[in-house]
Amino acid sequence: DIVMTQSPDSLAVSLGERATINCKSSQSVLYSSNDKNYLAWHQQKPGQPPKVLIYWASTRESGVPDRFSGSGSGTDFTLTINSLQAEDVAVYYCQQYYNTPWTFGQGTKVEIK
Amino acid sequence: QVQLQESGPGLVKPSQTLSLTCTVSGGSISSSGYHWIWIRQHPGKGLEWIGYIYYSGSTYYNPSLKSRVTISLDTSKNQFSLNLNSVTAADTAVYYCASAISTVPHYWGQGTLVTVSS
Repeated sequence: DIVMTQSPDSLAVSLGERATINCKSSQSVLYSSNDKNYLAWHQQKPGQPPKVLIYWASTRESGVPDRFSGSGSGTDFTLTINSLQAEDVAVYYCQQYYNTPWTFGQGTKVEIK
Repeated sequence: QVQLQESGPGLVKPSQTLSLTCTVSGGSISSSGYHWIWIRQHPGKGLEWIGYIYYSGSTYYNPSLKSRVTISLDTSKNQFSLNLNSVTAADTAVYYCASAISTVPHYWGQGTLVTVSS
């Protein structure tokens, strides 16, 4: 199984500041034949189901604000939230869909400082 | 857009079978390229991928649960289902159905809490 490891486990950021979450996979999730990284980011707000934010490591899902951005390739990925808003308080998960079983990181909790 | 809604008993006795259904709206369960997925979340914990059924009917299960899991399609009702047998308290979790297109995840259901207890 591909192990996904996120860092940090939690972070507190002031409103309007930037939040950065890292995700590392135990093997590359870059498929060489199409040059795509099989990596998604999900947001889970308190008491709600998860929601897809980003797929292919950097493509925002329709309707997702552009303050959310994803980057990285191979085994190292980053989710950046620019100008953090109160509604961004949530747990964020990375997920690989390169190999079955599809696996998730342990989650990163983002709070307001 | 596709919407998914889980349904089923909220309480299951130990050693019995957990059965859940996901009703799909806004799209056909037979649409080419779709994966229909089950994921669970233990209370206060992270996400565990249970398995999927492809639109064609082929399945893949997490090896950690494979011996106890069955996922099936009901095209007449536009639904897919999860059966997990021989449950224990460790199977208490919120169960989500979800969908992916050509493996890319896009939609989640609202989730349903299943408690295993006598």
